Amino acid sequence: GENVEQHPSTLSVQEGDSAVIKCTYSDSASNYFPWYKQELGKRPQLIIDIRSNVGEKKDQRIAVTLNKTAKHFSLHITETQPEDSAVYFCAAPTSGSARQLTFGSGTQLTVLP
Amino acid sequence: DSGVTQTPKHLITATGQRVTLRCSPRSGDLSVYWYQQSLDQGLQFLIQYYNGEERAKGNILERFSAQQFPDLHSELNLSSLELGDSALYFCASSASTGTHSPLHFGNGTRLTVT
Repeated sequence: GENVEQHPSTLSVQEGDSAVIKCTYSDSASNYFPWYKQELGKRPQLIIDIRSNVGEKKDQRIAVTLNKTAKHFSLHITETQPEDSAVYFCAAPTSGSARQLTFGSGTQLTVLP
Repeated sequence: DSGVTQTPKHLITATGQRVTLRCSPRSGDLSVYWYQQSLDQGLQFLIQYYNGEERAKGNILERFSAQQFPDLHSELNLSSLELGDSALYFCASSASTGTHSPLHFGNGTRLTVT
């Protein structure tokens, strides 16, 4: 099956620093790449997504970049704050007769005050 | 609030038993997805329904089954439960059946099998 690889699995940064999480996918036909944030004990929430017709999208302190040639996309969080601490999941469509989103394994981000 | 409602929030049951988890999608969403999240694990896709029909199947055990009713709510049935089935089960909904629409997750049902 198609995989979505996510790195790193854990990431600790100092408050105010930037954090970058990277995902790679294998299906070249993939065209939609969302990122979800899951706080402890809560549901995953969509924080940003990007479609394959653009290379970058920003929303305040969060940005996502997409490199279709290399088949990877990244989440960038600037000026990190303690409330950014959570598990972040990327996702990409898988191939097959019935396409559906496959999630990466998640990145535990800890922002140290 | 995502608009996706899952009940119950918590479920504690014994091995060998059968349980039913319920999900009501956001108003207007036709697709319902079920995911399993074990402790410190990622989101494992189980099954998707669109407008009452099964659309995609993931790593769903034969002991598990699901359906989507005419009013679009969905139920996930888990039978012959084992300790390893203890997990957080999420339902998500989206407007379409494709993979280009955001998924909106419910708050999950935490299942504990003792």
